[in-house]
Amino acid sequence: NAGVTQTPKFQVLKTGQSMTLQCAQDMNHEYMSWYRQDPGMGLRLIHYSVGAGITDQGEVPNGYNVSRSTTEDFPLRLLSAAPSQTSVYFCASSYSASGGAEQYFGPGTRLTVT
Amino acid sequence: GQQVMQIPQYQHVQEGEDFTTYCNSSTTLSNIQWYKQRPGGHPVFLIQLVKSGEVKKQKRLTFQFGEAKKNSSLHITATQTTDVGTYFCAGLTTDSWGKLQFGAGTQVVVTP
Repeated sequence: NAGVTQTPKFQVLKTGQSMTLQCAQDMNHEYMSWYRQDPGMGLRLIHYSVGAGITDQGEVPNGYNVSRSTTEDFPLRLLSAAPSQTSVYFCASSYSASGGAEQYFGPGTRLTVT
Repeated sequence: GQQVMQIPQYQHVQEGEDFTTYCNSSTTLSNIQWYKQRPGGHPVFLIQLVKSGEVKKQKRLTFQFGEAKKNSSLHITATQTTDVGTYFCAGLTTDSWGKLQFGAGTQVVVTP
């Protein structure tokens, strides 16, 4: 099993550009989520999904969109990048639909917005 | 809303010493999880606590969940250089289904 994979590993965007961060898991997990990590602030939940076709907002959803058309994939879209979105983004998955079980994290995407 | 606070933010430890990091929630938690993130890496699950007063051990790591299920601690004995990293707690409440809330983490530096 590859676990949770994320692409790209690094990305530089200009303000106003849009892009999609890819996340995939091969563990047949129902629960998937996106976090951003900024220095001194831990991991903050952006969006999560409890199954294909179901998504919900987390703590910091503004400026981001998600969709879940399959169990395996959970892409994160930045609509119009802003410098405040410079961060490290982690995707995670879990077998528990509530998120109340071990979270498996991907390797992360380091995003810089200039 | 729910807040999970972690202290200390930084911990400098001499190799061989013990230390403890603490996690406090403003609301009662249904469970709490602990993760470790090595520098440049991703968070890796360590353990989950569910029951009030629960204590679990993993070699030199001891995890506790408070009686009121509002706080937790991670105690590491005889710190080694391999313990370097940031330790996060993450809590879930019954009314925040699906929204795991992470603390800001304790960054641990070990001096040989």
